[in-house]
Amino acid sequence: QVQLVQSGAEVREPGASVKVSCKASEDTFDSHFMHWVREAPGQGLEWMGVVNPSGGTAGYAQKFRGRVTMTRDTSTRTLYLEVSSLRSEDTAVYYCARDSSSGWFSVDVWGKGTTVIVSS
Amino acid sequence: HSALTQPASVSGSPGQSITISCSGTSTDIGAYNYVSWYQQHPGKVPKLMVYHVSNRPSGISNRFSGSKSGNTASLTISGLQADDEADYYCSSHTGGGAYVFGTGTEVTVL
Repeated sequence: QVQLVQSGAEVREPGASVKVSCKASEDTFDSHFMHWVREAPGQGLEWMGVVNPSGGTAGYAQKFRGRVTMTRDTSTRTLYLEVSSLRSEDTAVYYCARDSSSGWFSVDVWGKGTTVIVSS
Repeated sequence: HSALTQPASVSGSPGQSITISCSGTSTDIGAYNYVSWYQQHPGKVPKLMVYHVSNRPSGISNRFSGSKSGNTASLTISGLQADDEADYYCSSHTGGGAYVFGTGTEVTVL
């Protein structure tokens, strides 16, 4: 089963940007939708967006449009999530997640999560 | 899209059945048969329990079943076990390739 290995925890000041990575153990980005989900402390899960296997185009939740960028590098099997203009409410664990072959957000593989802390 | 509405908590005794509701609108749950349910134990990553309203992934017990009626989806856990104690989240397609989660339900096994 493919594994998704995420980058380590990050601490940023408000207004800064952060880029989180998610490396797959085998080729998967060309055949599976890849999602980003976050979980703020004491809060629930929040869907942020998805990267299409065809061409790597991304779609974002309306809340994050203009502030979040999802990209991929198929040569290194790495997915990226960049969040700009960080605020304290962005403090959360960020997960990358692979949609199964059944699609439509039937996620079968999750990364272990990357903690991002936004604090001055 | 606002988060789907779930009860904050549901409890039951071992062996009993419980049902978790997930209320949406005619533009998400009511419009698509793409409802998923995830189980999340404290400190762990979510785990898919049901997808496409009522399908179970390989390895998931048939004690977990999903259904949908109108704008509301439901997850039923029968034969409740101690290990079922966790948070449960529903999710739905909202159109245009987007998704939304529910508010989450804490299941307690008494």
